[in-house]
Amino acid sequence: GENVEQHPSTLSVQEGDSAVIKCTYSDSASNYFPWYKQELGKRPQLIIDIRSNVGEKKDQRIAVTLNKTAKHFSLHITETQPEDSAVYFCAAIRPNTGNQFYFGTGTSLTVIP
Amino acid sequence: GAGVSQSPRYKVAKRGQDVALRCDPISGHVSLFWYQQALGQGPEFLTYFQNEAQLDKSGLPSDRFFAERPEGSVSTLKIQRTQQEDSAVYLCASSSQAGVNTGELFFGEGSRLTVL
Repeated sequence: GENVEQHPSTLSVQEGDSAVIKCTYSDSASNYFPWYKQELGKRPQLIIDIRSNVGEKKDQRIAVTLNKTAKHFSLHITETQPEDSAVYFCAAIRPNTGNQFYFGTGTSLTVIP
Repeated sequence: GAGVSQSPRYKVAKRGQDVALRCDPISGHVSLFWYQQALGQGPEFLTYFQNEAQLDKSGLPSDRFFAERPEGSVSTLKIQRTQQEDSAVYLCASSSQAGVNTGELFFGEGSRLTVL
């Protein structure tokens, strides 16, 4: 099956700085890569996603980049704010597997005011 | 409803007890997933339903775990003879799409199971 690794496990940044979280995947057939944000005690929520036919996608302060050759993708958050503090999970999905999402182990982001 | 609902939110069980966790997905959502999330870890896949059919149960850790979705809407995850290692948050998620048309997963808030 797919193996998704995520780094770093914890990340602290000053408010206004950028944060970058990286994930690698093992199965070259994976073609959909979402990022979920989970605040303490809350449900994971989709914040951005990218498909394998695209190299980069932006949504305001959030961007995701994908390098299919190297099999890694990254989440970039610019101008971080305290409300960005949460655990972020990447995931990779292989087609024709019933949509089985393989999640990374998560990155706990703390934005220091 | 407006979102995925799970109950109970918290469950404490004595080792050896059976538990049942309920998931009420978003109305009309075809796909339903169960995930297990241990403390400090990412969600781990347990099982997947497309309508009432359980298409993938490869993530269920043992035959003590059983899931059903008899009418293609509400799903129940049952754990028999609970063990301490079953302590985790059990997340349910649903999606409007199925098969290769990967869509956004909408998660419930989870059921936190503690086995004493």
